[in-house]
Amino acid sequence: EVQLVESGGGLVQPGGSLRLSCADSGFTFSMYWMNWVRQAPGKGLEWVANIKEDGSEKNYVDSVKGRFSISRDNAKKSLYLQMNSLRAEDTAMYYCVRDLASPRGIWGQGTMVTVSS
Amino acid sequence: DIQMTQSPSTLSASVGDRVTITCRASQNINIWLAWYQQKPGKAPNLLIYRASSLESGVPSRFSGSGSGTEFTLTISSLQPDDVATYYCQQYNSYRYSFGQGTKLEIK
Repeated sequence: EVQLVESGGGLVQPGGSLRLSCADSGFTFSMYWMNWVRQAPGKGLEWVANIKEDGSEKNYVDSVKGRFSISRDNAKKSLYLQMNSLRAEDTAMYYCVRDLASPRGIWGQGTMVTVSS
Repeated sequence: DIQMTQSPSTLSASVGDRVTITCRASQNINIWLAWYQQKPGKAPNLLIYRASSLESGVPSRFSGSGSGTEFTLTISSLQPDDVATYYCQQYNSYRYSFGQGTKLEIK
């Protein structure tokens, strides 16, 4: 069974940086768009960013543009989210999602990011 | 960017009731809309994609309809296991967005 496993979350001070990773245990990672979706404590879902199968196209929600960068390494079957200039409002559970809104879609279990002094 | 607005924000209904949740898009998204169910502490679970296609394994009491800017999720006969928060999500472009969620409770 294909699984996505996120890592890299934790406590960071405002203005700090963090790099999230997502490892795909399946065989077809390179065939799918990959996404990051976050959920602040007690709040709704927010799509954060996505990246095309070959990494040639990337999209971001306005609130993270210029601060976050999504990337992937298809050889390592891994997705990344580099988060810089972190703010308190970035505190959330971050989910790695394969092929969002598709029957082939898969969600990871999430990794928690807390931005606090 | 496309804004998604769900109504109501909370909904209380009795077991066996027919329940409807509405989602409106700020611009035409054709049929590129999905519905998710999320239970506390869990990742969301896809219910409906392409506005009306039922995901495999989802009970047939769930159905979706609509196109353009207005969409609905209907539960034909509410069951206790349906207590959850429901989200719509548009994917008309690759800049996705979710509705704010509808929390469904049992009376």
